[in-house]
Amino acid sequence: AQSVTQLGSHVSVSEGALVLLRCNYSSSVPPYLFWYVQYPNQGLQLLLKYTTGATLVKGINGFEAEFKKSETSFHLTKPSAHMSDAAEYFCAVSPMNRDDKIIFGKGTRLHILP
Amino acid sequence: DVKVTQSSRYLVKRTGEKVFLECVQDMDHENMFWYRQDPGLGLRLIYFSYDVKMKEKGDIPEGYSVSREKKERFSLILESASTSQTSMYLCASRPEMQGDNQPQHFGDGTRLSIL
Repeated sequence: AQSVTQLGSHVSVSEGALVLLRCNYSSSVPPYLFWYVQYPNQGLQLLLKYTTGATLVKGINGFEAEFKKSETSFHLTKPSAHMSDAAEYFCAVSPMNRDDKIIFGKGTRLHILP
Repeated sequence: DVKVTQSSRYLVKRTGEKVFLECVQDMDHENMFWYRQDPGLGLRLIYFSYDVKMKEKGDIPEGYSVSREKKERFSLILESASTSQTSMYLCASRPEMQGDNQPQHFGDGTRLSIL
């Protein structure tokens, strides 16, 4: 069965510092991968997605993620954190078999320190 | 842009009541989903639907039912609300396309409190 693990339910970084949010998945074949962001009192918004092709994916708001098959990872990064990045971030896996469902990680809340 | 609209942002109901949560999407998407979100548990899938009048159980369907009479509308029903169903409920939709690599589009959520 597919699963998604996000390391760290809370991550704090200083404004201007590197943001790194970790996501590992388990799958017998490379799945489709997504990162979503949830701002307070809102639904989830797509940040970026990996399907096939280039392993470095660029998303909105300066975020990017790298698919590493050998490490079964899809970590999210941003070179310089901004106060507006404070939110909860979810990694999700979509198997290629349509009979399976999209699986979300438990989320990582990102805190930005002034 | 895709718009997924949930009828209420906040809702307060009493134990034993029958509760309806409504969701409408405006992009002719085939697939629709209902999740509940609780601190530390992430998103858990309650029910989903691949087409009109079709429904599939998710991971936690107990105590819930759904209705999809029209393509754009997907309703979640709490048959007899209990305090354990106090949660944030999120609706999502997604087009049915080859490869299944389309992301889900979410509504803003309904925060439901059962007293």
